[in-house]
Amino acid sequence: IAGITQAPTSQILAAGRRMTLRCTQDMRHNAMYWYRQDLGLGLRLIHYSNTAGTTGKGEVPDGYSVSRANTDDFPLTLASAVPSQTSVYFCASRLRDGSTDTQYFGPGTRLTVL
Amino acid sequence: DAKTTQPNSMESNEEEPVHLPCNHSTISGTDYIHWYRQLPSQGPEYVIHGLTSNVNNRMASLAIAEDRKSSTLILHRATLRDAAVYYCILRDASGTYKYIFGTGTRLKVLA
Repeated sequence: IAGITQAPTSQILAAGRRMTLRCTQDMRHNAMYWYRQDLGLGLRLIHYSNTAGTTGKGEVPDGYSVSRANTDDFPLTLASAVPSQTSVYFCASRLRDGSTDTQYFGPGTRLTVL
Repeated sequence: DAKTTQPNSMESNEEEPVHLPCNHSTISGTDYIHWYRQLPSQGPEYVIHGLTSNVNNRMASLAIAEDRKSSTLILHRATLRDAAVYYCILRDASGTYKYIFGTGTRLKVLA
């Protein structure tokens, strides 16, 4: 593994079902993020984690939960999916080191809720 | 959270410089200005960031106004591979490390 991986690549889900999107990084970055990107729009922050064991709410947290049991993994859970959660979901991690301050993004998960 | 405003789209000819503007009139004194770009069907990638002084790297230059209420991303010689959506982002300075993306500028590069 190099960088950030997300799984699944895409998923079609029935409304009301529970779904967990996985995100794993091997760069030992402390901070991680989940964003959603609706068609033709920019990214909106769902939840973030500054370090293992801590999480925080972003702009659009309702309907989503996250956990950060360790540095590498940051799963996003939809407890009961609704069609408005149809989107592309991006996970990212952040490296801050001296003058460097960079987010690295995964390839995304395309989720369709019917 | 401080917001950014960017034009929805811009066009440039290949091999010519491109100046992508961003307004952030409510920026706080410690907010960093970040630029990311998103190529089609990919996640965003880092371009450059700065606080007060102009910045240069291998990808681009960042010119920051003296009052910090606006900035400009400069691509010195646009190529077809630079066609992307460019996002100007203010990194939250409160310690939460939140990045608030706007809708970005879609750059079209003409051959």
